[in-house]
Amino acid sequence: DQQVKQNSPSLSVQEGRISILNCDYTNSMFDYFLWYKKYPAEGPTFLISISSIKDKNEDGRFTVFLNKSAKHLSLHIVPSQPGDSAVYFCAASNAGGTSYGKLTFGQGTILTVHP
Amino acid sequence: DAGVTQSPTHLIKTRGQQVTLRCSPKSGHDTVSWYQQALGQGPQFIFQYYEEEERQRGNFPDRFSGHQFPNYSSELNVNALLLGDSALYLCASSLSSYEAFFGQGTRLTVV
Repeated sequence: DQQVKQNSPSLSVQEGRISILNCDYTNSMFDYFLWYKKYPAEGPTFLISISSIKDKNEDGRFTVFLNKSAKHLSLHIVPSQPGDSAVYFCAASNAGGTSYGKLTFGQGTILTVHP
Repeated sequence: DAGVTQSPTHLIKTRGQQVTLRCSPKSGHDTVSWYQQALGQGPQFIFQYYEEEERQRGNFPDRFSGHQFPNYSSELNVNALLLGDSALYLCASSLSSYEAFFGQGTRLTVV
């Protein structure tokens, strides 16, 4: 049962353009969402998060949007840079319940930014 | 400030053997979680330790066990290794429930 899904295995964009990575979830108990970036031979690095009480959170070039009714979130990277090329993971947590701190991850999307 | 460190970085074991992986959390973090990442998949939650006790457990068999020490470092033990246990094992530490910081992982290969 895949509770967090990233349906696009890969995404290719031109440098300077917008990258949009999508994520869907099925568990309505999830109330906190995170995006991680992973380079080869490294562990995932935290990028940005959003609580379910918000619908948008920005941090520099990164913005996360949450649509609770559709159980959908997206990560926007503007402008995209070649150094952004990595695997991006969406993760969800039920911070207020018994699964305190447990993260459920999607399968990941490989982003390639071409110069 | 040292981040999350894991050892060893790579390990090759034979089917049926036992393995112990180690993790030192980020300074000041008291909660350690372990994840298994198979090739092409996202990390899967194994279990979480807080105050030297297992607080939560994912859908993994009893062959997977762990321990947390008073200095908050942690070990992951896997008994009776199967070929399917080959994966990247990630340790994550946190102080709050929200932002987990990951180590670089231990690549386990079972042959």
